[in-house]
Amino acid sequence: AQSVSQHNHHVILSEAASLELGCNYSYGGTVNLFWYVQYPGQHLQLLLKYFSGDPLVKGIKGFEAEFIKSKFSFNLRKPSVQWSDTAEYFCAVEGESGGGADGLTFGKGTHLIIQP
Amino acid sequence: DGGITQSPKYLFRKEGQNVTLSCEQNLNHDAMYWYRQDPGQGLRLIYYSQIVNDFQKGDIAEGYSVSREKKESFPLTVTSAQKNPTAFYLCASSILVDGAGELFFGEGSRLTVL
Repeated sequence: AQSVSQHNHHVILSEAASLELGCNYSYGGTVNLFWYVQYPGQHLQLLLKYFSGDPLVKGIKGFEAEFIKSKFSFNLRKPSVQWSDTAEYFCAVEGESGGGADGLTFGKGTHLIIQP
Repeated sequence: DGGITQSPKYLFRKEGQNVTLSCEQNLNHDAMYWYRQDPGQGLRLIYYSQIVNDFQKGDIAEGYSVSREKKESFPLTVTSAQKNPTAFYLCASSILVDGAGELFFGEGSRLTVL
């Protein structure tokens, strides 16, 4: 079974700082990767996803992530964070059968706090 | 607007009682899922269903049951056998295509056992 590891459980940054949240997965086959975000009081929503092709993917709100197959990593980045980026961020990997049929395996999440 | 509706948003129950959480979607998605979210634990898969009248256990199915009688509905029952039922429950759906099935989530139901 695959697993997802997020390195930081809590991150505190000041506005305009650069952000990188680490994510590593254990599955050795072809993977599809996701980052989800949960803003305070809101439902989980997709930030970005990687299926194939260019390993650098861009998502909403200026976020991007880079898939590095040799490192089993899919780190999330943003060059300059805003107070409104305060949220919980989850990395996820697709189920083994493909096509999303078995659901996604999620990491434990990173709680990001941006100080004004 | 298309989306996933979970109800109730907040629910309290006494120990020993079963409780059913509702999940309805009007996205015409094939697959539906139930996750449990606990602080510091991320999301863990309880049950999922790829098609009507069929469902599979996820990683933490013990103490839970589901049904899928209609494509748009996937209710979750938290039974008295669930040892630690207080949690935030999330329902999701996806349309199954080649490649990854992006999940769309409801707003969640928070269950507290008194």
